[in-house]
Amino acid sequence: DAGITQSPRHKVTETGTPVTLRCHQTENHRYMYWYRQDPGHGLRLIHYSYGVKDTDKGEVSDGYSVSRSKTEDFLLTLESATSSQTSVYFCAISEKGWTEAFFGQGTRLTVV
Amino acid sequence: KNEVEQSPQNLTAQEGEFITINCSYSVGISALHWLQQHPGGGIVSLFMLSSGKKKHGRLIATINIQEKHSSLHITASHPRDSAVYICAVNEGQNFVFGPGTRLSVLP
Repeated sequence: DAGITQSPRHKVTETGTPVTLRCHQTENHRYMYWYRQDPGHGLRLIHYSYGVKDTDKGEVSDGYSVSRSKTEDFLLTLESATSSQTSVYFCAISEKGWTEAFFGQGTRLTVV
Repeated sequence: KNEVEQSPQNLTAQEGEFITINCSYSVGISALHWLQQHPGGGIVSLFMLSSGKKKHGRLIATINIQEKHSSLHITASHPRDSAVYICAVNEGQNFVFGPGTRLSVLP
């Protein structure tokens, strides 16, 4: 199995609070992605990174920011959580962006 | 943007049956992926293919580039195959995902 871990695995937070999710990889893959998965929508790209300090927005990036200061870590931050951001968040890695993707176990976030 | 569709949306089968899940996409691609997600679980990559056919155990994936279509077959299905199967295609350095097919295999 690819070395990719997400933390935390579960989180409940209150509306308006900041939240940071962490994705850590041991594969030295260049590309890292954050997706959210919601019923009826499948997996949707939030942000992705193609190298240290190189990031770009996905289709549902509003309300989210990311940072990648090291190859192995990709952080997703909700600056002020809203109930619409209740979802399951998946991190994924890919060596070249068009090669096989490996996924983390997911983080279930509930905003109350 | 590539549009990825899957059929059927839901599928219930009896143990031992041969299963086919279909995926079609709208724009030419470099590679197509089949993923598996068990209930409450993570997402696992099953296949990445750009032409022809690949086989892994009881799973077979095929792709027809000209017709922009791929199929995932499961032979001798088993209840542990119950999961959501997701088709994804590469779009540049990103992926576009289908909505998934929920498979239930009954003993």
